[in-house]
Amino acid sequence: DIQMTQSPSFLSASVGERVTLSCKASQNINKYLDWYQQKLGEAPKLLIYNTNNLHTGIPSRFSGSGSGTDYTLTISSLQPEDVATYFCLQRNSWPLTFGSGTKLEIK
Amino acid sequence: QVQLKESGPGLVQPSQTLSLTCTVSGFSLTSNSVHWVRQPPGKGLEWVGAIWSGGSTDYNSALKSRLSISRDTSKSQVFLKMNSLQTEDTAIYFCTRGGHTAFAYWGQGTLVTVSS
Repeated sequence: DIQMTQSPSFLSASVGERVTLSCKASQNINKYLDWYQQKLGEAPKLLIYNTNNLHTGIPSRFSGSGSGTDYTLTISSLQPEDVATYFCLQRNSWPLTFGSGTKLEIK
Repeated sequence: QVQLKESGPGLVQPSQTLSLTCTVSGFSLTSNSVHWVRQPPGKGLEWVGAIWSGGSTDYNSALKSRLSISRDTSKSQVFLKMNSLQTEDTAIYFCTRGGHTAFAYWGQGTLVTVSS
């Protein structure tokens, strides 16, 4: 199985700050990497699919990049409503595997 | 609009079988896959398995021996059955629609507690 390692596990940042979350795969996942946002008590919400495609309705402050084994989610200007846990998911091979998540809070 | 809704027993005794239903609307099961994902309370997400538009299935290898996913296309329902439940299977179980844009649509989730 492909292991997905997210870092950091916890991040505290200020409103307006640029935030970068990382996801590293144990092998090449060919850009089949998605990012999800999960707020407390809710289902995950798709933000980015296939590394850098912004899902419909997602604010443009969210962006994704990466290739091979290393991927990044960037929030260009952190907003209070971005407080959540962020998960990456690889869909390159079975079984699909999620990262363990980055919990993002406002400083 | 696309909707998915999970339903199930809530509480299951250890060693018993879990049966969950995902009822979908706004799309056809013969055109889209449906996946199950679970999340133990306060923990991360785990992909459980999927049923494809053609009816074939894929399962998480760690759960494969205990898991079965099936569907009734006439009722727009997908079923998950997992036997020999243990306390570690306590989780919120989500169903989600697969597609080239990944998991864009999710159900609200249903909490399953394994306890005597």
